[in-house]
Amino acid sequence: GQNIDQPTEMTATEGAIVQINCTYQTSGFNGLFWYQQHAGEAPTFLSYNVLDGLEEKGRFSSFLSRSKGYSYLLLKELQMKDSASYLCAVLNTGGFKTIFGAGTRLFVKA
Amino acid sequence: EAQVTQNPRYLITVTGKKLTVTCSQNMNHEYMSWYRQDPGLGLRQIYYSMNVEVTDKGDVPEGYKVSRKEKRNFPLILESPSPNQTSLYFCASTLAGEDTGELFFGEGSRLTVL
Repeated sequence: GQNIDQPTEMTATEGAIVQINCTYQTSGFNGLFWYQQHAGEAPTFLSYNVLDGLEEKGRFSSFLSRSKGYSYLLLKELQMKDSASYLCAVLNTGGFKTIFGAGTRLFVKA
Repeated sequence: EAQVTQNPRYLITVTGKKLTVTCSQNMNHEYMSWYRQDPGLGLRQIYYSMNVEVTDKGDVPEGYKVSRKEKRNFPLILESPSPNQTSLYFCASTLAGEDTGELFFGEGSRLTVL
């Protein structure tokens, strides 16, 4: 079967660092995405990993280990506007099929 | 401005009354897809299209139809809506063959079927 797991909710403090984990089991792998989705809005692209290792983009970093079926999104210097849902998604081979996890709702408190 | 446009954004309808949710993109993307989003379940793919006249089922296609007569448009058709199709729907597109396959989403259409 195909499965993507991530925590349902997390809470962190403004200015801190938070790590959101994602584990996946999918039939085929052509890359892993992280999307951000504010309440009532469309998801927007944050990062893409296809090779093992860390990709850094400003305050956000994403890590991938293909052998472990594991990724995390690291958010540094948290701001109130980072309160949102973070969606982990895997792109399957052979057809541009993107499978999404249920998302992690992050609450940033002052 | 590059965008994916969905209409209507909000709709309340009754069981059995056919409806169409339109989706249009202006980025010349080959690939388009429809998702529904329900609490606790995340985004689930309904149908997708790799190019004009090429469509295929996603994970939850029952009760839906699509067509791709033009590259920019990918309407979602509910022939006989039922209450279990009450959901938030997103259309998305990407450039097939692009390295990342990053999806660009429309703003969403919230559908309620009574």
